[in-house]
Amino acid sequence: GENVEQHPSTLSVQEGDSAVIKCTYSDSASNYFPWYKQELGKGPQLIIDIRSNVGEKKDQRIAVTLNKTAKHFSLHITETQPEDSAVYFCAASTSNTGNQFYFGTGTSLTVIP
Amino acid sequence: ETGVTQTPRHLVMGMTNKKSLKCEQHLGHNAMYWYKQSAKKPLELMFVYNFKEQTENNSVPSRFSPECPNSSHLFLHLHTLQPEDSALYLCASSQGGGTYTDTQYFGPGTRLTVL
Repeated sequence: GENVEQHPSTLSVQEGDSAVIKCTYSDSASNYFPWYKQELGKGPQLIIDIRSNVGEKKDQRIAVTLNKTAKHFSLHITETQPEDSAVYFCAASTSNTGNQFYFGTGTSLTVIP
Repeated sequence: ETGVTQTPRHLVMGMTNKKSLKCEQHLGHNAMYWYKQSAKKPLELMFVYNFKEQTENNSVPSRFSPECPNSSHLFLHLHTLQPEDSALYLCASSQGGGTYTDTQYFGPGTRLTVL
């Protein structure tokens, strides 16, 4: 089955700096890659996603890049703010596995004011 | 907030107890999920229901028993649990039909502690 690895497990940045979280996956058939943000006491919420026919996608201060050849994808957050502090999860899925997402282990991001 | 509610939010139970977790979604979705979230581990998918039919059971021990009486409600019945079952149990829903790109909407979870 699919194996998704995520790094780093913790990340601290100064407010206004950029943060980058990286994930790799093992199944070359994976073609959908969502990113979820989990704030304290809440469930994960989708913040951005990318499909395999696209190399990059941006939504205001967040962006995701995908390298299918290398089987890795990254989340980029620019101009970080304290409210960006949360745990971020990457995931991968393929049409072969229906509803099943394979999640990474999460990155705890702290933005220092 | 997300349209998915879970009760109770916290639960402490002994190993011989029987309890149930409840999930309700108000989004008109047709797929519902149970996940287990433990520290330092990926979210573990436990069960999936599509249109009230169970379509995934990821080798979950029989001490966890799901029930989906309709597309809006999902239960997880617990009995004779072990301390290692202590975790955050998350419910999610999505549009359904096996579309692998459907966004999953998560509830806030039930924090379970097994003594």
